[in-house]
Amino acid sequence: AQRVTQPEKLLSVFKGAPVELKCNYSYSGSPELFWYVQYSRQRLQLLLRHISRESIKGFTADLNKGETSFHLKKPFAQEEDSAMYYCAPHKSQGNLIFGKGTKLSVKP
Amino acid sequence: DTGVSQDPRHKITKRGQNVTFRCDPISEHNRLYWYRQTLGQGPEFLTYFQNEAQLEKSRLLSDRFSAERPKGSFSTLEIQRTEQGDSAMYLCASSSIPARDFDTEAFFGQGTRLTVV
Repeated sequence: AQRVTQPEKLLSVFKGAPVELKCNYSYSGSPELFWYVQYSRQRLQLLLRHISRESIKGFTADLNKGETSFHLKKPFAQEEDSAMYYCAPHKSQGNLIFGKGTKLSVKP
Repeated sequence: DTGVSQDPRHKITKRGQNVTFRCDPISEHNRLYWYRQTLGQGPEFLTYFQNEAQLEKSRLLSDRFSAERPKGSFSTLEIQRTEQGDSAMYLCASSSIPARDFDTEAFFGQGTRLTVV
């Protein structure tokens, strides 16, 4: 069965602090991994995908196949990072499922 | 606006009534997804289409729910005999058929907020 676990519903940090949003997945085969973000009153949108090895808005994500984890990290959080973050494993042949999300709150 | 659009944005209905929502995907996208999102939860998958074919339905999609995409373009989601538990945000997303797994990016609409009173 496909399952995505984001253990923290809420993560609250101060501006400038490091942040790590955890994601563990259970998925048949080897899915591609994505993080989506939803800022207040905006649409859900793609933040980054693992394959690109990119840093978007200072965020990176490390895939650990042994632990089946795909944690999202940023060394210095900014207030504008406050949003809901969703981990999403996906295979091209299947549907797209999401974790329950982690609400990141960055305090000034 | 060339993004995914959903109509209506808000719907208030009495319990037992039928409601229908519409989603217009990005025009060249073959895939269309429906999700339900309640407060504090992530989007829960309901169903998805590839062109006009409905390829997968979640167990969440009870007999009262039906989705169509008759010409492979826009889609409708109908809920019959609505219940208070159906109150949620209904999200639509579209994507192209990826050549490779990492090509997938889903583009979301603003959602339709349903309130059943």
